[in-house]
Amino acid sequence: GAGVSQSPSNKVTEKGKDVELRCDPISGHTALYWYRQSLGQGLEFLIYFQGNSAPDKSGLPSDRFSAERTGGSVSTLTIQRTQQEDSAVYLCASSLGGTGYEQYFGPGTRLTVT
Amino acid sequence: AQSVAQPEDQVNVAEGNPLTVKCTYSVSGNPYLFWYVQYPNRGLQFLLKYITGDNLVKGSYGFEAEFNKSQTSFHLKKPSALVSDSALYFCAVRDSRGYSTLTFGKGTMLLVSP
Repeated sequence: GAGVSQSPSNKVTEKGKDVELRCDPISGHTALYWYRQSLGQGLEFLIYFQGNSAPDKSGLPSDRFSAERTGGSVSTLTIQRTQQEDSAVYLCASSLGGTGYEQYFGPGTRLTVT
Repeated sequence: AQSVAQPEDQVNVAEGNPLTVKCTYSVSGNPYLFWYVQYPNRGLQFLLKYITGDNLVKGSYGFEAEFNKSQTSFHLKKPSALVSDSALYFCAVRDSRGYSTLTFGKGTMLLVSP
């Protein structure tokens, strides 16, 4: 079946511009996660959506970052006024939900801020 | 707070030899433990998980991992390495009690030489 998809695969933007990254989770998965992967830094948790519950935004690094999930499916991560330190690969994952379920990852969006 | 340590940035092994990628963790309650693999320019792929039951867990591509509660470890193993196993491996943990996000280690690069 279809896996997690993300778009765009690559995004180059100028410092100060806003960007939107999209994630389409696996159909039927109630949980959706965003992570950031920087070179040599492992995965940094950003935000978590579970069903209709309020999202866990505890990992968002600043108020320039926000995310929404419409209709319990597609999610958009928005970064306002991008900075060079925002350059990274942004990974989305989904799972059936619950703490014991494994997450399935998309291919990521490579963001470069010039 | 929960944490994961992968003490080796890189592991080198010859094809056909056994491999071990180390992981130790820290959580307040009982752990849920996961291993993921990332091939170049790809998202993370789930390999295996420990939730409960047998301490030896078998996963994809011939990999297995042993949960050791006393040593708080979850080392990844394979009896005979393949060149195609060369990739970046991530260990991850979450607390089985209540709500917690998944915490990833920084990753270990496995290089299998012909």
